[in-house]
Amino acid sequence: SAVISQKPSRDICQRGTSLTIQCQVDSQVTMMFWYRQQPGQSLTLIATANQGSEATYESGFVIDKFPISRPNLTFSTLTVSNMSPEDSSIYLCSAPNPQDSILDLLYGYTFGSGTRLTVV
Amino acid sequence: AQRVTQPEKLLSVFKGAPVELKCNYSYSGSPELFWYVQYSRQRLQLLLRHISRESIKGFTADLNKGETSFHLKKPFAQEEDSAMYYCALPWGPSGGSYIPTFGRGTSLIVHP
Repeated sequence: SAVISQKPSRDICQRGTSLTIQCQVDSQVTMMFWYRQQPGQSLTLIATANQGSEATYESGFVIDKFPISRPNLTFSTLTVSNMSPEDSSIYLCSAPNPQDSILDLLYGYTFGSGTRLTVV
Repeated sequence: AQRVTQPEKLLSVFKGAPVELKCNYSYSGSPELFWYVQYSRQRLQLLLRHISRESIKGFTADLNKGETSFHLKKPFAQEEDSAMYYCALPWGPSGGSYIPTFGRGTSLIVHP
């Protein structure tokens, strides 16, 4: 299965600043997903990042607040802009496990290790 | 729209007891379901897939289309099974986008 390296693993940031989270996949993947997770709770999808096109954001998330880049098939970044304490959370990236099949999605997803963000 | 429901936020059992983590789904098509697990301080990882009919770490899950369920079961729980478990559908509504849907998760605590 694919391996995703995510960094930073954690950060403490001042309100009003921005943080960029990076995810590097060890193989080419068509889609990457960005999630927010409160400790011990479910995943909330922020956006889907496709290479060569703008990210697709879920309801409640906007590009100005969470700009995403996807410059190639192995890399993506998520920026949390103009942070407030309400943005404190764990941010995860995810991608389908690539297989030799167009039905990559049936092989499940792999996740980054997460970025624990605290805004003070 | 598709939906995954995990009715229990927390499940607490003693070591050696049977475990069943419930998952119900709503999906207009033939579903392919997964269970993911997140151990303390580890990343979220795939536990098992419906498509492969496998048993991983003693866990099994059977798709019941009549009851629209995909419950995760283990006959004898171990302390190391303590973790957060998520049920998931891999893609969106029929003909729609490939957006995965996760349940809210069930925290399993296995007491010694």
